[in-house]
Amino acid sequence: DSGVTQTPKHLITATGQRVTLRCSPRSGDLSVYWYQQSLDQGLQFLIQYYNGEERAKGNILERFSAQQFPDLHSELNLSSLELGDSALYFCASSVALGSGANVLTFGAGSRLTVL
Amino acid sequence: SQQGEEDPQALSIQEGENATMNCSYKTSINNLQWYRQNSGRGLVHLILIRSNEREKHSGRLRVTLDTSKKSSSLLITASRAADTASYFCATARGGADGLTFGKGTHLIIQP
Repeated sequence: DSGVTQTPKHLITATGQRVTLRCSPRSGDLSVYWYQQSLDQGLQFLIQYYNGEERAKGNILERFSAQQFPDLHSELNLSSLELGDSALYFCASSVALGSGANVLTFGAGSRLTVL
Repeated sequence: SQQGEEDPQALSIQEGENATMNCSYKTSINNLQWYRQNSGRGLVHLILIRSNEREKHSGRLRVTLDTSKKSSSLLITASRAADTASYFCATARGGADGLTFGKGTHLIIQP
């Protein structure tokens, strides 16, 4: 157990629907990162939050949004789902804020299947 | 686009042999990290090497970094079946904090 908790583990839904993925970071970690992993695109950085504020944005679609709450847990919202959104979504957390100095602790992932 | 690119994409060796994976990247970095992922699971951090370091060891792992060639290598010595996994290098993206990962090397250790 890495200490990063992601729910749900598996999710099957239909095109056009909206889902919310939840992440609780490791105790003491202030930064939360979201990544999408698919066979064709590899591991893509989506977005990062630090202590409630957005810090960095990667290849996140406009249909996707995220936030980090005061208790530091984070949610990734995926809307108007398409078949191509089927992937493993990982949350990771780290302690500090500093370019490139962070070691990430990953959760077990949420596997999203869009039918 | 991916910052780090691992090579080879897949590697199959016999148990007990050494496995070497390479990573090339495009821009200046502060440090480079290697992660391991067992099938369908989350990534696990293995080792971090800073830009002013050339070599680092951790147990059976040896990492080298050549900033002039923008490349790194990960050596796993005396491989075991449990080392079967995908291995990713990761670099920091400019001034942001999100690590950029390559597509990984899939390592298979044959018993």
